[in-house]
Amino acid sequence: KQEVTQIPAALSVPEGENLVLNCSFTDSAIYNLQWFRQDPGKGLTSLLLIQSSQREQTSGRLNASLDKSSGRSTLYIAASQPGDSATYLCAVSLGGNQAGTALIFGKGTTLSVSS
Amino acid sequence: EADIYQTPRYLVIGTGKKITLECSQTMGHDKMYWYQQDPGMELHLIHYSYGVNSTEKGDLSSESTVSRIRTEHFPLTLESARPSHTSQYLCASSDRQGNTEAFFGQGTRLTVV
Repeated sequence: KQEVTQIPAALSVPEGENLVLNCSFTDSAIYNLQWFRQDPGKGLTSLLLIQSSQREQTSGRLNASLDKSSGRSTLYIAASQPGDSATYLCAVSLGGNQAGTALIFGKGTTLSVSS
Repeated sequence: EADIYQTPRYLVIGTGKKITLECSQTMGHDKMYWYQQDPGMELHLIHYSYGVNSTEKGDLSSESTVSRIRTEHFPLTLESARPSHTSQYLCASSDRQGNTEAFFGQGTRLTVV
């Protein structure tokens, strides 16, 4: 059964720091991996989608990498800002059968950026 | 910008009431999903659909039911709400091709008293 783990569970940094959030998954046969942001009491906002054949994706100050063979992904946030404070969720899709395209989530990393 | 909408955003209701949580998307996506999220916990899949007239149960057992009569609409119903149903319910959709992004609604926070 696929399990997704995110480390650390919480992270506090001063504004301007570069930081890395980690995600690991137990079954390397994934279809894709997606990073989301969730603000308190809100839904999920998609940040980056990495297909299984890709190694990384970039959007603005965000860069996500994927190493399928080792079951790892990282989300790099450059020059962090207080507005980046949120919970960041990693999710993998297994593909294959219809349910397999549903996402399996980690518990998230809660980021707090102080000004 | 994701075009997927959930109503209501917040609902406080008494035990035993029947409730329906609405989810609609205007992206023409075939696949739709319902997730349940308790505070501080990960999202768990409770229902999914890969097209009209198809519905399946997810990994997490749920007393709720769903229907998919139209592509754009995927409502979730609880026939008799209980305090144990208190949670946040998140709806999502994605295209039939598995490699596309999943888009989420803003969620419905349900409290059963």
